[in-house]
Amino acid sequence: QKEVEQDPGPLSVPEGAIVSLNCTYSNSAFQYFMWYRQYSRKGPELLMYTYSSGNKEDGRFTAQVDKSSKYISLFIRDSQPSDSATYLCAMSVIQGAQKLVFGQGTRLTINP
Amino acid sequence: GAVVSQHPSWVICKSGTSVKIECRSLDFQATTMFWYRQFPKQSLMLMATSNEGSKATYEQGVEKDKFLINHASLTLSTLTVTSAHPEDSSFYICSAGGRTQETQYFGPGTRLLVL
Repeated sequence: QKEVEQDPGPLSVPEGAIVSLNCTYSNSAFQYFMWYRQYSRKGPELLMYTYSSGNKEDGRFTAQVDKSSKYISLFIRDSQPSDSATYLCAMSVIQGAQKLVFGQGTRLTINP
Repeated sequence: GAVVSQHPSWVICKSGTSVKIECRSLDFQATTMFWYRQFPKQSLMLMATSNEGSKATYEQGVEKDKFLINHASLTLSTLTVTSAHPEDSSFYICSAGGRTQETQYFGPGTRLLVL
């Protein structure tokens, strides 16, 4: 069993829809949770960074962490075609420049 | 803030030659840099971790004599693919982090094609 599980998709939704992306993990020591967005042939871009449980909102994006269930989510409101990308969840035990454990990535397409 | 650059963005080389890829942190001091490899439609595979001034730590299965990593300063790390072969063709991505960064920030990647 992988340490971090993420449905690879592909996921296709119409423009304007609310998108929900999820990851589950098995290591209860993870404290720091990140979502990266990766466009085709580009490096990953940090979208959201959260510590421990709770919600964090940034514009159209909301990151949610439920440590009791070992489950994290990324919600995208009012989705746009420009949101079409692969979304990677990542997590670490210690803050800072530490080794990250990544999910497989979910390929998302927003249809105009 | 937290901008990481890579050079070149793409490179084509002949089998048997060596290729050097540079990774630079532009606006912060990167105490740690990471090198990843990514195959199409797959997630990132960590190759090695390097701390400034120290030898790199390679992940299991990564040949350290083939993938030479140097992290000589707080803003520059290099990955040299020695005696490249077609199976080394891939997308190589670096990331960097420092004392003032909460996590890693990634470069734009380098696409390597070995003929």
